[in-house]
Amino acid sequence: NAGVTQTPKFQVLKTGQSMTLQCAQDMNHEYMSWYRQDPGMGLRLIHYSVGAGITDQGEVPNGYNVSRSTTEDFPLRLLSAAPSQTSVYFCASSYSNRASRETQYFGPGTRLLVL
Amino acid sequence: GQQVMQIPQYQHVQEGEDFTTYCNSSTTLSNIQWYKQRPGGHPVFLIQLVKSGEVKKQKRLTFQFGEAKKNSSLHITATQTTDVGTYFCAVPNTGFQKLVFGTGTRLLVSP
Repeated sequence: NAGVTQTPKFQVLKTGQSMTLQCAQDMNHEYMSWYRQDPGMGLRLIHYSVGAGITDQGEVPNGYNVSRSTTEDFPLRLLSAAPSQTSVYFCASSYSNRASRETQYFGPGTRLLVL
Repeated sequence: GQQVMQIPQYQHVQEGEDFTTYCNSSTTLSNIQWYKQRPGGHPVFLIQLVKSGEVKKQKRLTFQFGEAKKNSSLHITATQTTDVGTYFCAVPNTGFQKLVFGTGTRLLVSP
């Protein structure tokens, strides 16, 4: 199993550009989520999904969209990038939708720089 | 919403010294998880605690859940350079569909 994969590993954007961060898992996990990590702020939840077709907002959803059309994929879209979205983005998944009781498996991360 | 404080934010120790990080919640928790993130890496699950007063050990790492289930600690005995990284606690929000991470404790170990 590849586990949780993320692409790209690194991206530079200009303010106002849009892009999609890809996340895929091959473990047949129900729950998938996106976090951003900033210095001194820990990991903050952006959006999550408890199954295909179901998504919900986390702590910091503004400026981001998600969809979950398949169990395997959970892309994160930046609609109009801003410098405040410069961060490291992690995708995570867990077996069941009771995420708080399950081991979270993280992808390797995407480092995003918005100029 | 759920808030979790983690202290200290940063600690620098000499190899062989002990290290402890604490996680404190404003509410009673059903469970708590601990993760480790190596520099440049991604968080990796270490352990989950569920019972009041629970103590679990993994080699030199000792994890404890408080009696009131509002706090937890991670203690490393005789640190090694391989222990370098950031240690996060994570707790459930109400509804158990979200995991809220602490701000982490960054550990640096000098040889």
